[in-house]
Amino acid sequence: GAGVSQSPSNKVTEKGKDVELRCDPISGHTALYWYRQRLGQGLEFLIYFQGNSAPDKSGLPSDRFSAERTGESVSTLTIQRTQQEDSAVYLCASSLSPLTDTQYFGPGTRLTVL
Amino acid sequence: DQQVKQNSPSLSVQEGRISILNCDYTNSMFDYFLWYKKYPAEGPTFLISISSIKDKNEDGRFTVFLNKSAKHLSLHIVPSQPGDSAVYFCATHSGTYKYIFGTGTRLKVLA
Repeated sequence: GAGVSQSPSNKVTEKGKDVELRCDPISGHTALYWYRQRLGQGLEFLIYFQGNSAPDKSGLPSDRFSAERTGESVSTLTIQRTQQEDSAVYLCASSLSPLTDTQYFGPGTRLTVL
Repeated sequence: DQQVKQNSPSLSVQEGRISILNCDYTNSMFDYFLWYKKYPAEGPTFLISISSIKDKNEDGRFTVFLNKSAKHLSLHIVPSQPGDSAVYFCATHSGTYKYIFGTGTRLKVLA
């Protein structure tokens, strides 16, 4: 596909369970980003990958959050022991390079923690 | 502490008229600004951008104005069309990859 894809589109889970969210960036984009949007708020930066390394994890809200990326391809965001405040839309974006190019977003994964 | 503010959560405009969406920022070091449009169940889509060396950038029906002294930017859509109905986010960065987004303005264009 031409754009950024994410799966699942919706995820409902029980408090305390682990969840894994997937992002497929645009082919050839070396930079990948995760954001989240909680209800009524703007997008909040979580983590940035350049290739498969993550030079900036400063936005991850707690050590329950982690992310990996395979080469310049798929990335997964894992949330362990989910809490109700983790409920949000998790958005992935990619760009050709991190500084000069526009970020292109996927459709997001809506996570609901009951 | 929000660095980018969109104080109008919603706006309704008649088809054919001008839509003006506003955004204020706090940090004078921000030097690049973007507008994204978001439809329900889709990710934000890049619309238009402006560098701090300019005060206006135009692309078809969309024009972004930047007032650096007031730390204010606005997006003008003219003429507005029903398909423009969406949530609009302004975003900025200061030469890094870390975009900072506003909370969005929901635009409704009435036919």
